[in-house]
This record gives sequence, structure tokens and C-alpha cells, in this order.
Amino acid sequence: QVTLRESGPALVKPTQTLTLTCTFSGFSLTTRGLCVSWIRQPPGKALEWLALIDWDDDKYYTTSLKTRLTISRDTSKNQVVLTMTNIDPLDTATYYCARTETTGADAFDIWGHGTMVTVSS
Amino acid sequence: SYELTQPPSVSVSPGQTARITCSGDALPKQYAHWYQQRPGQAPILVIYKDSERPSGIPERFSGSSSGTTVTLTISGVQAEDEADYYCQSADSSGTYRVFGGGTKVTVL
Repeated sequence: QVTLRESGPALVKPTQTLTLTCTFSGFSLTTRGLCVSWIRQPPGKALEWLALIDWDDDKYYTTSLKTRLTISRDTSKNQVVLTMTNIDPLDTATYYCARTETTGADAFDIWGHGTMVTVSS
Repeated sequence: SYELTQPPSVSVSPGQTARITCSGDALPKQYAHWYQQRPGQAPILVIYKDSERPSGIPERFSGSSSGTTVTLTISGVQAEDEADYYCQSADSSGTYRVFGGGTKVTVL
């Protein structure tokens, strides 16, 4: 059974760096075709794709946030980490991680429950 | 940056058919996928690769594609189908994922 779970701070102060961890089970991120993405959703607003890391350790970022984001993986721990620098109240959102199998559905087929992050001083 | 356009809302009576469109210039080249999100819950995949249905998704959910528009159809809408629906695809290079703005389906 494939599961993903997000963890991180619930409250962050403006200008700080946010670090979120996605811990997954039921698959290996070294298996060809598998990827993990981070997606966020501000309260009452639409989903926004942020970043993706694939089985080959290639990384992709949404253009608008590219300079603030870093995605990385620890295959021994089955974790994917997202860091976002210079946090702003506009970054208040629920942050999700999700799996993609490019050799299969090529969609976000399994999602974590999400973690809510509030940016406030 | 690349955008996908959805109508903000669709209203439908129980048992009727709801159709949600999603438009984007790269849709002739890139597959589209659809997600259902109920309040307070994470999204779930209901259609992938334009028209494929994951296991466990009811047959009343279907998808189609024509040119720069893809459509999610919910036939015989039930009260439990009331949710937000998002289309998702990639830019023409296939590198950058993107979501539509979402459509709220209200069951009257």
C-alpha cells in the first residue's frame, strides 16, 4: 500500500525558511518512472504545483518560485524534503506531497493528507 | 507561464449530467488529469490521461478531449459528487506541471 505523509511546522515567521518533509512508504524513489511532487493550496484557493523530484534525482520547479525552492530526497529514509526561503504571509497554505508514476497514469495518483502552514509574526 | 482555464462553478440537479471543461494551448500535446476535492480533504485522482478511470472510481465519471479542451463528465450526478474539481496537465515541454483554477460542482 502506497502512503505519503507530510510533516513540518504549523507556524512560521515571515522571512524565515520553511522546511517540509514527505515520508512515504510502499514504493522506492529509485524505481524508474516514479516521482514525488510538492503541491500547495492557500485557504479557499486553487492547487499550485511547486516542485518535483524523480527517480534519477532530477528536479523541476515552478517558474514563479524557482529561486526560493529546493527539493531533495533521502532514499534511505524514504523522504522528500522541500525548503522554501524568505517565507511570506502569502505562502500560508496547506502543503501536499503526491506521487507520480510516469510509466503509468503519469498523474498525481496518491496524495498525502497535507500539512497546514501559517506564516505570521 | 502556462495556464489551464476552468469555469468557476457548475450547478446540476441530482441524476442529471455535469460537464466541466478545461482549456489550454498545450492540451493537444499533453495529457490531462482530473481530481476531485471534497471540503477539508486531499484531492483524489478521478480521471487520468484524458479519459482513463482509476480503479475504484465510479463509472459515472468519464473524460474526453478535443483540441485545446478537455472535459470531465459526471453522469447521473449524486449528492456525494458535490466537490471542487481540478484539471491538471503539463506545459508543451512536459516539464512543468500545472493545475486549472478549479470548478465547484453544486448539486441542487
